[in-house]
Amino acid sequence: GNSVTQMEGPVTLSEEAFLTINCTYTATGYPSLFWYVQYPGEGLQLLLKATKADDKGSNKGFEATYRKETTSFHLEKGSVQVSDSAVYFCALSINTGTASKLTFGTGTRLQVTL
Amino acid sequence: DVKVTQSSRYLVKRTGEKVFLECVQDMDHENMFWYRQDPGLGLRLIYFSYDVKMKEKGDIPEGYSVSREKKERFSLILESASTNQTSMYLCASSPGPDYEQYFGPGTRLTVT
Repeated sequence: GNSVTQMEGPVTLSEEAFLTINCTYTATGYPSLFWYVQYPGEGLQLLLKATKADDKGSNKGFEATYRKETTSFHLEKGSVQVSDSAVYFCALSINTGTASKLTFGTGTRLQVTL
Repeated sequence: DVKVTQSSRYLVKRTGEKVFLECVQDMDHENMFWYRQDPGLGLRLIYFSYDVKMKEKGDIPEGYSVSREKKERFSLILESASTNQTSMYLCASSPGPDYEQYFGPGTRLTVT
């Protein structure tokens, strides 16, 4: 079956530190990969995505590269801000023909302090 | 902007009650989804719908049913609520396969 494994949190960083959140996946077929972010009290928002091997998704200073050889999609940001404090979910998507079903990791909470 | 709304942010129900969670999207999306979110488990798909009156089971459909009578509305039904259904429920919609999903704010359901 399909699964996503991401690093346990919480991750606590000082403002302007470098961020890496690891994500690896197992999938049959050729999934698309996503990072979603959930700010306190809100639903999930798409942060970035990549649809094929070697694609790089980027948004708001965050980046992730689809690595088929290592089945990974690690999230990085060069300099985090307090406003980046949230829960980050890695997910893969498989097109079933009628819909694309998302499989999520367990989420990683990021806490950024001044 | 895509808007996905859910009928309640917080809900408290008693064991054995029938519970309806409503979700409405305003972008004419074909696909709609119901997830539950639990600490340490991430989001798990309960049911999804790819057209009016069409539905498919997700990964954890037991104890739930769904209804989609109109394209914009997707309801999750707990026929007889149990304490292990206490959770955050998230609705999402999508224009179709290979498009991103847009999420509502969630309903935190407590079953006592």
